Amino acid sequence: ETGVTQSPTHLIKTRGQQVTLRCSSQSGHNTVSWYQQALGQGPQFIFQYYREEENGRGNFPPRFSGLQFPNYSSELNVNALELDDSALYLCASSYGTGGRLAYTFGSGTRLTVV
Amino acid sequence: TQLLEQSPQFLSIQEGENLTVYCNSSSVFSSLQWYRQEPGEGPVLLVTVVTGGEVKKLKRLTFQFGDARKDSSLHITAAQPGDTGLYLCAGAPPAGGYQKVTFGTGTKLQVIP
Repeated sequence: ETGVTQSPTHLIKTRGQQVTLRCSSQSGHNTVSWYQQALGQGPQFIFQYYREEENGRGNFPPRFSGLQFPNYSSELNVNALELDDSALYLCASSYGTGGRLAYTFGSGTRLTVV
Repeated sequence: TQLLEQSPQFLSIQEGENLTVYCNSSSVFSSLQWYRQEPGEGPVLLVTVVTGGEVKKLKRLTFQFGDARKDSSLHITAAQPGDTGLYLCAGAPPAGGYQKVTFGTGTKLQVIP
């Protein structure tokens, strides 16, 4: 059973550029949730994808968008990058969307915007 | 918006000491989870509590869910350097269908040998 894999692990982008982060969910999981985590703080919910559809969104602007593919892997796209977008981006997979489920997290992508 | 406040925010203790981390909210949760995160890694699930008043033990870690399901605590007995990390609580609201798991503000623990 493979875990959650995120790529790339680190990324440096310039303000105004666009970025795509990727996540392969754990085998058997059909739901992917994306979180943004500032240093030393708790993760903030960006959005969730279930069966290839967005299934809930946090307080993030539309320039944060995503996709989920038939194999349940997912992408997070951020347009017009701002300095404040610098953070650790975490992907978590699960089976179903209920709150009692256990999330399996990837190791994250550390994005630095300069 | 459901908020989860954790206290303390930072904790530095000597090996062998006991500690308690608190997770508080004004909202009711259907379940609450505790995660530990090490630098450069994603959070790893430690436990899920579901019933008000529930107590779960994981070796030297004891987790309790408040009777009203609005708060939780994590107690570590005889802390060891390997316990060092960021501890996060996360709650799910009582609702059917889509549920957004909300994370707490985090408690950074350092255990000094």
